[in-house]
Amino acid sequence: EDQVTQSPEALRLQEGESSSLNCSYTVSGLRGLFWYRQDPGKGPEFLFTLYSAGEEKEKERLKATLTKKESFLHITAPKPEDSATYLCARRQGTDKLIFGTGTRLQVFP
Amino acid sequence: GAVVSQHPSRVICKSGTSVKIECRSLDFQATTMFWYRQFPKKSLMLMATSNEGSKATYEQGVEKDKFLINHASLTLSTLTVTSAHPEDSSFYICSARTSGSNEQFFGPGTRLTVL
Repeated sequence: EDQVTQSPEALRLQEGESSSLNCSYTVSGLRGLFWYRQDPGKGPEFLFTLYSAGEEKEKERLKATLTKKESFLHITAPKPEDSATYLCARRQGTDKLIFGTGTRLQVFP
Repeated sequence: GAVVSQHPSRVICKSGTSVKIECRSLDFQATTMFWYRQFPKKSLMLMATSNEGSKATYEQGVEKDKFLINHASLTLSTLTVTSAHPEDSSFYICSARTSGSNEQFFGPGTRLTVL
């Protein structure tokens, strides 16, 4: 069964302190790796989709990368407003997304 | 673009009553809509997938007679929780995808509390 594992479960950073979040997945025909941001009490907000090893995508302070067995979400010089839960998901079959349990990021001023 | 709304955002109901949650794609046609459930500090669990004009496909362990899904148009899907009980209390989130796209766009969620 396809699985997605995220680490760390929680991360506390000082403003400006860069770091990376990890998402590892079972290797069985990846058909898309997705990153979402979720604020408390809200629905997930789409960030990136990656399809093949070596692919990278950027948006403001966030950069997502993909290898054959994991993806990283790099956060450069984070700000307090970057505090959220970051979810990754892999596509299974035609439509289904399998989500990880997320990394809760807190950025302190 | 790609905005999905849900209504209501919060609902409190008595045990035994039914609750309907609406999910709308505001600026695109959603050929496929998804309903998820999320428990506190847990990830999203897919409940069902619905294609416009077709019966929903439910995930294993999800009671289709309890969670009725209707996807009557390309912009609206509804989830009805029938005879709700306290264990149905949760955060319900819908998402929508348009034909030819891989990305799902999520609604803001509905917090259901059953007393």
